[in-house]
Amino acid sequence: QVQLQESGPGLVKPSETLSLTCTVSGGSVSSGSYYWSWIRQPPGKGLEWIGYIYYSGSTNYNPSLKSRVTISVDTSKNQFSLKLSSVTAADTAVYYCARDAGAVGWFDPWGQGTLVTVSS
Amino acid sequence: QSVLTQPPSASGTPGQRVTISCSGSSSNIGSNYLYWYQQLPGTAPKLLIYRNNQRPSGVPDRFSGSKSGTSASLAISGLRSEDEADYYCAAWDDSLSGPVFGGGTKLTVL
Repeated sequence: QVQLQESGPGLVKPSETLSLTCTVSGGSVSSGSYYWSWIRQPPGKGLEWIGYIYYSGSTNYNPSLKSRVTISVDTSKNQFSLKLSSVTAADTAVYYCARDAGAVGWFDPWGQGTLVTVSS
Repeated sequence: QSVLTQPPSASGTPGQRVTISCSGSSSNIGSNYLYWYQQLPGTAPKLLIYRNNQRPSGVPDRFSGSKSGTSASLAISGLRSEDEADYYCAAWDDSLSGPVFGGGTKLTVL
């Protein structure tokens, strides 16, 4: 079955760029009908959709983060990535990657999540 | 402030039936499918209900979903201690052009 795994630095300094990668196993990011998403959860708070990418490279971002977010895909490595620029403490969260079956909010499966702390 | 509204908490005793509500608008729940996620402590969310009332393979039939108009509900019957978790609803929002989540409901099994 498809599994997702996030990787990247757990600590980022304020004003710098957060970079995470999600590696997909047991399936292909080039599969049609699936949109590869990033979702985050600040400590003790709820879930926030960040954005998604289709294997063709087309993207859709949460308007509240759009100016700072870039999601890219590398089909040769079966990975997709997140970059969030100009981070502040408010960006401290567990970041999850997930597969969306049709860009409808149908997230399954999810990665285990990775905590990113923004601090100097 | 989440786009979808859920009660922050719910509780029940083992064996009871509990329901968790999710309220939205015509641009999300009113015109799109509703999804439910279960997040056990310290773990990633897991799909619990898709397309309003469908259960993925492996999800017990104690869990059921329903939708009417701009509101939806998750029902858990025969409550068990392992059901203690946070539950989130989600739906596509036509105005946002993206998925939105509820704020989550923490279910406590007394």
